[in-house]
Amino acid sequence: AQSVTQPDIHITVSEGASLELRCNYSYGATPYLFWYVQSPGQGLQLLLKYFSGDTLVQGIKGFEAEFKRSQSSFNLRKPSVHWSDAAEYFCAVGHLNAGGTSYGKLTFGQGTILTVHP
Amino acid sequence: NAGVTQTPKFQVLKTGQSMTLQCAQDMNHNSMYWYRQDPGMGLRLIYYSASEGTTDKGEVPNGYNVSRLNKREFSLRLESAAPSQTSVYFCASSELYTEAFFGQGTRLTVV
Repeated sequence: AQSVTQPDIHITVSEGASLELRCNYSYGATPYLFWYVQSPGQGLQLLLKYFSGDTLVQGIKGFEAEFKRSQSSFNLRKPSVHWSDAAEYFCAVGHLNAGGTSYGKLTFGQGTILTVHP
Repeated sequence: NAGVTQTPKFQVLKTGQSMTLQCAQDMNHNSMYWYRQDPGMGLRLIYYSASEGTTDKGEVPNGYNVSRLNKREFSLRLESAAPSQTSVYFCASSELYTEAFFGQGTRLTVV
């Protein structure tokens, strides 16, 4: 069965420090991978996605992620964290739905809550 | 551009009551999805509609029904609400090779 694991439930960093959020997946085929961010009381916003091609993916807000097939990982990184990055982050694997019309059928990790200290 | 719109934003139900959560998207996407979010569990798929006229079960469909009213609208119905259905519900839509676009969520409490 497909699964996504985010090993860190809660991470605290200082503003300006670098950040890496871990994501490991279990999936039989070529994975379609996503990172979403959720601010309190809000919906989910896409940070970046990997469908194919270059394994280093650039996203919004200065985030990047690297797909490593050999390690079944898709870790999210940011070189310098801002206070506004405090939120919950979700990694997800997209599956082709029964109709073959989209990869929006997602399996999510448990989420990582990021706290940023000034 | 509104994207994905969910109504209502908040709802309190008594056990056994029924209600329908509404979702509409204006991006002309074929696929629409309903997820629930519970603390420490990420989001889990309840039902989805790959295209107008079709619906399929997701990971946690028990206690729910759905209707794909037209290409824009996808509703989720709780026929007899239970406290275990207290959650935040998200609707999403997508197309092939796009990400899923999410609504702002409906926070449901069943007492």
